[in-house]
Amino acid sequence: AQSVTQPDIHITVSEGASLELRCNYSYGATPYLFWYVQSPGQGLQLLLKYFSGDTLVQGIKGFEAEFKRSQSSFNLRKPSVHWSDAAEYFCAEGNSGYSTLTFGKGTMLLVSP
Amino acid sequence: NAGVTQTPKFQVLKTGQSMTLQCAQDMNHNSMYWYRQDPGMGLRLIYYSASEGTTDKGEVPNGYNVSRLNKREFSLRLESAAPSQTSVYFCASSASPDRGLTTEAFFGQGTRLTVV
Repeated sequence: AQSVTQPDIHITVSEGASLELRCNYSYGATPYLFWYVQSPGQGLQLLLKYFSGDTLVQGIKGFEAEFKRSQSSFNLRKPSVHWSDAAEYFCAEGNSGYSTLTFGKGTMLLVSP
Repeated sequence: NAGVTQTPKFQVLKTGQSMTLQCAQDMNHNSMYWYRQDPGMGLRLIYYSASEGTTDKGEVPNGYNVSRLNKREFSLRLESAAPSQTSVYFCASSASPDRGLTTEAFFGQGTRLTVV
């Protein structure tokens, strides 16, 4: 069965500092990988996705993620965090032949002044 | 530009009551999903429907039933609500499978359900 691991439950970053949120996926074949963001009381919004090709993908709101097959990782990064980035972030995986996504348990990002 | 619409947004039930959560999408998507979100558990799939007329169990189907009424609508029913079903419920849809790919899911705003 697929599993997605987000090792950090909470992360606190100072405003203006860089951010990296970790995600490890389990499926060995070509994964389809996603990052979502959830603001309080809201649904999930897609930040970016990786299907194939360039391993560095750009998303909305200045986020990027890098796919590393050797490490089974798909970490989310942002060079300079804004207070409005405080939210919960979810990594998800799908794969060929299935219609469902498997989500990690999420990482809550707190931004300090 | 509605996307995925869920109703109601909030609901309080007494133990043993029944209710149906409604979901509709206007993106002509093949697949629709019901997830529940609990603190520290992430999103867990309850049921999904990969096409009109089909439904399949997800990770946590017990205590729930679903109906794919047509391509647009996918409802979730709690026949006899229990306090363990207190959660936030999300409906989602996607174009999956799209040429063999699992494409991204689009989410509704959620239903916050409390069972007392």
